[in-house]
Amino acid sequence: GAVVSQHPSRVICKSGTSVKIECRSLDFQATTMFWYRQFPKQSLMLMATSNEGSKATYEQGVEKDKFLINHASLTLSTLTVTSAHPEDSSFYICSASRDQETQYFGPGTRLLVL
Amino acid sequence: SQQGEEDPQALSIQEGENATMNCSYKTSINNLQWYRQNSGRGLVHLILIRSNEREKHSGRLRVTLDTSKKSSSLLITASRAADTASYFCATAYQAGTALIFGKGTTLSVSS
Repeated sequence: GAVVSQHPSRVICKSGTSVKIECRSLDFQATTMFWYRQFPKQSLMLMATSNEGSKATYEQGVEKDKFLINHASLTLSTLTVTSAHPEDSSFYICSASRDQETQYFGPGTRLLVL
Repeated sequence: SQQGEEDPQALSIQEGENATMNCSYKTSINNLQWYRQNSGRGLVHLILIRSNEREKHSGRLRVTLDTSKKSSSLLITASRAADTASYFCATAYQAGTALIFGKGTTLSVSS
């Protein structure tokens, strides 16, 4: 099956720093990738849709200036959490669709902001 | 925004028993998918059912879809301890669009 990787798998940072998370589709090209966030014991919430070569589309309530998304190539999307604060601590998961149906999810990145 | 609800929120059963989880959604869909998530880990895709399908099987999994009621069910037969996980349904409004997840059912299978 298709493989999507994320890096790093976990990160601990100080409040006020920025953190970049990479999402890569390893064996297929993805013009669209999605970023989700999952708080403890909750479901996944869509944050934004990342489109290769154009601006990301953010869901209501997600600050685009705080969560910067760049989709520079057909296999890489990055999410940068700028000036992270403890309330940004969460599990961030990306996904990509190869065949317009099944979405393949990355293993997730656990962010802890101290 | 959260698309749907799942019930039960938590389910505890013995090994060998069947587990049934239900999912309801609010808008029209292109497909509905079920995922499993072990604690603190990523998602594993289980099965996809399209809006024009009513039932689908995969191994010990059986999924039904009732578009008139906007609901789906996931049946895991002959459950095993390894099936212990959270299960989420997710809907796609159109093919290739973002998935909207339900709140999930936490399944605990004891041996």
